[in-house]
Amino acid sequence: NAGVTQTPKFRVLKTGQSMTLLCAQDMNHEYMYWYRQDPGMGLRLIHYSVGEGTTAKGEVPDGYNVSRLKKQNFLLGLESAAPSQTSVYFCASSYGVRYSGANVLTFGAGSRLTVL
Amino acid sequence: GENVEQHPSTLSVQEGDSAVIKCTYSDSASNYFPWYKQELGKRPQLIIDIRSNVGEKKDQRIAVTLNKTAKHFSLHITETQPEDSAVYFCAASLFTGGGNKLTFGTGTQLKVEL
Repeated sequence: NAGVTQTPKFRVLKTGQSMTLLCAQDMNHEYMYWYRQDPGMGLRLIHYSVGEGTTAKGEVPDGYNVSRLKKQNFLLGLESAAPSQTSVYFCASSYGVRYSGANVLTFGAGSRLTVL
Repeated sequence: GENVEQHPSTLSVQEGDSAVIKCTYSDSASNYFPWYKQELGKRPQLIIDIRSNVGEKKDQRIAVTLNKTAKHFSLHITETQPEDSAVYFCAASLFTGGGNKLTFGTGTQLKVEL
């Protein structure tokens, strides 16, 4: 049971390049989330999904797109990377509301992205 | 939307002393308040949480209190140890069938000195 796995762990991009971060969970969680963490700003929600085939915007969605084609995977895409997107990205997942403990988020190890 | 403020941003205590971190939230509808601990270079990990129908919860050396009227909640760590040194985040959410969209505070760097 690997929990929540993020790939890649580190990536350096040039301004304007595109990339995709992959989050995979093996806990059969229905909900999945993407957060970014910047110094002094805590974690901010980018996008989230409440089930396969669904996505929704969080607090800071601009410049990002997401997809959840399979229940276990949640992809975060940057179409045209900007230096302001330099950050540590965390994926998290949780059970659906009908399960006990559904509100507990399990986080991945993080992906450090640098945009030059 | 929800706004969570957290104080202090840094906290230094002597080993064995108590540490208190305070948070306030803006949305009176929020019903779930977790605390996460993040060690340097690691992922956030849940250490304790409380729901809005409970005023206090304790787990060994860690306790959380919630005052719904004042819209604030606090983390209390007693008998601090060096391994308690980390960044602590509070968060709040309205947990519904639409997901648990946590809004985090900006974090408190706790340093426990020998």
